[in-house]
Amino acid sequence: QQPVQSPQAVILREGEDAVINCSSSKALYSVHWYRQKHGEAPVFLMILLKGGEQKGHEKISASFNEKKQQSSLYLTASQLSYSGTYFCGTEKAYNAGNMLTFGGGTRLMVKP
Amino acid sequence: KAGVTQTPRYLIKTRGQQVTLSCSPISGHRSVSWYQQTPGQGLQFLFEYFSETQRNKGNFPGRFSGRQFSNSRSEMNVSTLELGDSALYLCASRETTYEQYFGPGTRLTVT
Repeated sequence: QQPVQSPQAVILREGEDAVINCSSSKALYSVHWYRQKHGEAPVFLMILLKGGEQKGHEKISASFNEKKQQSSLYLTASQLSYSGTYFCGTEKAYNAGNMLTFGGGTRLMVKP
Repeated sequence: KAGVTQTPRYLIKTRGQQVTLSCSPISGHRSVSWYQQTPGQGLQFLFEYFSETQRNKGNFPGRFSGRQFSNSRSEMNVSTLELGDSALYLCASRETTYEQYFGPGTRLTVT
């Protein structure tokens, strides 16, 4: 079952902040965040692991609530380059192989 | 390191034909996964190969198959193409349990 992302779309002005959420009904081992621009491949942003470990780009922050199986991606002081579709991908178990289940995506548009 | 590469980037095929797509992972990455992306279904997992063995498989018909070679390069094959197979096919490679990196994708159009 795929994770649920919210909101489905958001429009921001440059400099504004946004939060994108990802919820799963199943226990998760990790949550991955990607950004995809039109016509391009998804670009890795952040991985959050059960137990609190995180790895990702310096300017990106995210959280993972293991009790609620929810993750949030925080975009602060947005820039035009932040525009794109954001996907969360989830994994249920450690070392179960590389098999991510992706949410439906959140479209983000940043306007000048 | 060079990124994940996929060939060809674009393909146009006719219903009933078959197609083979290729993926070269980042050097040192032994896990290669394939995903199908369509506007209606989003990003869906096809299968994953690790050390030449299929380790995971998504919910796709048997017309979709793949393999991995000893140098970690992977191919996926779709036989008896249907119009609904038109999609962006993405390959991703991964070294350990951390991040995975996507290739640019192959845009397949079935007419």
